[in-house]
Amino acid sequence: DTEVTQTPKHLVMGMTNKKSLKCEQHMGHRAMYWYKQKAKKPPELMFVYSYEKLSINESVPSRFSPECPNSSLLNLHLHALQPEDSALYLCASSQNPGFKNIQYFGAGTRLSVL
Amino acid sequence: AQKITQTQPGMFVQEKEAVTLDCTYDTSDPSYGLFWYKQPSSGEMIFLIYQGSYDQQNATEGRYSLNFQKARKSANLVISASQLGDSAMYFCAMRESLGGGNKLTFGTGTQLKVEL
Repeated sequence: DTEVTQTPKHLVMGMTNKKSLKCEQHMGHRAMYWYKQKAKKPPELMFVYSYEKLSINESVPSRFSPECPNSSLLNLHLHALQPEDSALYLCASSQNPGFKNIQYFGAGTRLSVL
Repeated sequence: AQKITQTQPGMFVQEKEAVTLDCTYDTSDPSYGLFWYKQPSSGEMIFLIYQGSYDQQNATEGRYSLNFQKARKSANLVISASQLGDSAMYFCAMRESLGGGNKLTFGTGTQLKVEL
C-alpha cells in the first residue's frame, strides 16, 4: 500500500480566510513533503519534514505555515493568501529522507483563492 | 542551468506501439537517483520507475523501462505496448545525495497522447 491521502480535494477561499490542508500516510514513512504546482508546470518543493522536524523551507512566504503533529500527519495552514497562490498542492512521503527513497504522492488539493 | 531537461513538450503514439520519452540531467554528484512520474489530468503524481546512479542494470517495471546512459547523462523512459490510459503528463526527476537528498528536482514534463 503506497497511499497518501489529502483532504480536501478542492478548496475555494477568500484572501482573508484561514484554512488548512491535511495529508495523511500510514506507511511508516519518516519524511513528508509539500509541493506547489501551477498549471502545466512541474511541482515545486515548499517544505520537507524529516522525522517530524522541519528540515527544508524553500523560502516560502509566511502565509503558508506547515505543521507535522505526528509521523503520519502533515498539515499546511493557509492565511491571507493571494490569488497567485491558486494552484494544486501536493503532499508526498518517503520511507526516509535520502536520494534513494521513492516519494509517493497524494492526489492533491486544488486551491482557488478569490 | 537546468538540472533536468525534457525536450519533448508533447508526444503522440499509436495504441500498442512503443514510445520513448527523453530525459537528460546535469549533476556533479556521483550519488543520485532518477525517477519517472506519471500525472493524469486528475492531478495525482504516480511513481513509475527508479534508477540509481550505481545501478548496473537498466530498471524495468512491467511495461516501463528506463534506458540509462550514465556517460551521456540520459535516462529515457520507454513505454511498450501503449494503452489509451497512458495518456498523461510524464515527469523525469532527480534526487542528489548532496544536502541530504531531500530535494526532488523535476523536468518540465512531456505530455503524451495515445491515439487509436
